[in-house]
Amino acid sequence: DGGITQSPKYLFRKEGQNVTLSCEQNLNHDAMYWYRQDPGQGLRLIYYSQIVNDFQKGDIAEGYSVSREKKESFPLTVTSAQKNPTAFYLCASSISGDWDQPQHFGDGTRLSIL
Amino acid sequence: AQSVSQHNHHVILSEAASLELGCNYSYGGTVNLFWYVQYPGQHLQLLLKYFSGDPLVKGIKGFEAEFIKSKFSFNLRKPSVQWSDTAEYFCAVPRKTGANNLFFGTGTRLTVIP
Repeated sequence: DGGITQSPKYLFRKEGQNVTLSCEQNLNHDAMYWYRQDPGQGLRLIYYSQIVNDFQKGDIAEGYSVSREKKESFPLTVTSAQKNPTAFYLCASSISGDWDQPQHFGDGTRLSIL
Repeated sequence: AQSVSQHNHHVILSEAASLELGCNYSYGGTVNLFWYVQYPGQHLQLLLKYFSGDPLVKGIKGFEAEFIKSKFSFNLRKPSVQWSDTAEYFCAVPRKTGANNLFFGTGTRLTVIP
């Protein structure tokens, strides 16, 4: 089955530690996205990538970094500079970066601070 | 940049009641609008979308939304809700015309009581 796989489902981070969230898709989609979901704030865009080797900052990119070396993979690193990393992180992809293509979402990773 | 706002944070209805969830958008030229739904334990999925033509858009599972330009609104409706409609509903708009870089509203949690 085609889809988006996010791992791990739950992740714990110690203070001052960087962690990387995995996002893999086998849909052959060009565009990929990372969102952060907090209660009462909906989804906020962290980074997005419309094509391999290219990515753009979203609304809340500070304290995060991404790479897009392969079409199917868009890992997100939460760095120690992100002061409030506890949240639910969602990865999405779409066929292209055009507005009329629906975004397909993964099941998410819940990150907590120890 | 375009944005949307959802003013209903939590709506509680009995089965068979009618539903209307509000979504207001900020004007920014050509308007494209989306409703996404997140059922408990499932990933976010597209419910319906509007890009042009008939302002009344039909989506999955009996949902519809009406684009009213004069009111800057794209409210989601369903004549008779079921317990299985319990979910969180997000309105979204592209940040800029033609792009799939979506701005999501804060979401409305719908609880349907059997």
